[in-house]
Amino acid sequence: SQTIHQWPATLVQPVGSPLSLECTVEGTSNPNLYWYRQAAGRGLQLLFYSVGIGQISSEVPQNLSASRPQDRQFILSSKKLLLSDSGFYLCAWSGAANYGYTFGSGTRLTVV
Amino acid sequence: QKEVEQNSGPLSVPEGAIASLNCTYSDRGSQSFFWYRQYSGKSPELIMSIYSNGDKEDGRFTAQLNKASQYVSLLIRDSQPSDSATYLCAVKIQAGTALIFGKGTTLSVSS
Repeated sequence: SQTIHQWPATLVQPVGSPLSLECTVEGTSNPNLYWYRQAAGRGLQLLFYSVGIGQISSEVPQNLSASRPQDRQFILSSKKLLLSDSGFYLCAWSGAANYGYTFGSGTRLTVV
Repeated sequence: QKEVEQNSGPLSVPEGAIASLNCTYSDRGSQSFFWYRQYSGKSPELIMSIYSNGDKEDGRFTAQLNKASQYVSLLIRDSQPSDSATYLCAVKIQAGTALIFGKGTTLSVSS
């Protein structure tokens, strides 16, 4: 069966520090991968999605970036965090085009 | 801009009652529709998907889709306190695009 791993679970980082969040999927090949952010009191905001290695689509211009160095690995990064980057970051994967997504357990990021 | 709208709630129902959660979407060409349940502090969990007009039942859950009215709903029969959570409606506009989520409706089931 397919599983998705996301870490770390919680993270407290100072303003201006770098960020790297990692997500890996097991048990499937060529998944579509997604990064969402959920800020307090707000809905799920799509940040990036990828349909294959090295293919990244950005939905919202910001100081975040994403990379997909391997088929089942998706990384979210920032060179310098802002206070507004605080939130619950969720990685998700899907198979066929119209299937729903399966989410990882999420990373709660607090920028201080 | 593509939008998915939900009443934020809270929706309060007594144990054993039917909870009705509603969602509207702006893009008439939307193809796939999903309901997620999110417990506080946890990630969303897919509970229902629906792709064509009508009803789809799975246990105590029924999803209803009306594409002409651009409306999708989730009914929870025999509501239990464990159903207390935020329910997110999600819509896929077309193949190759990502899901768009509503902000969610908070459901509270009292025993």
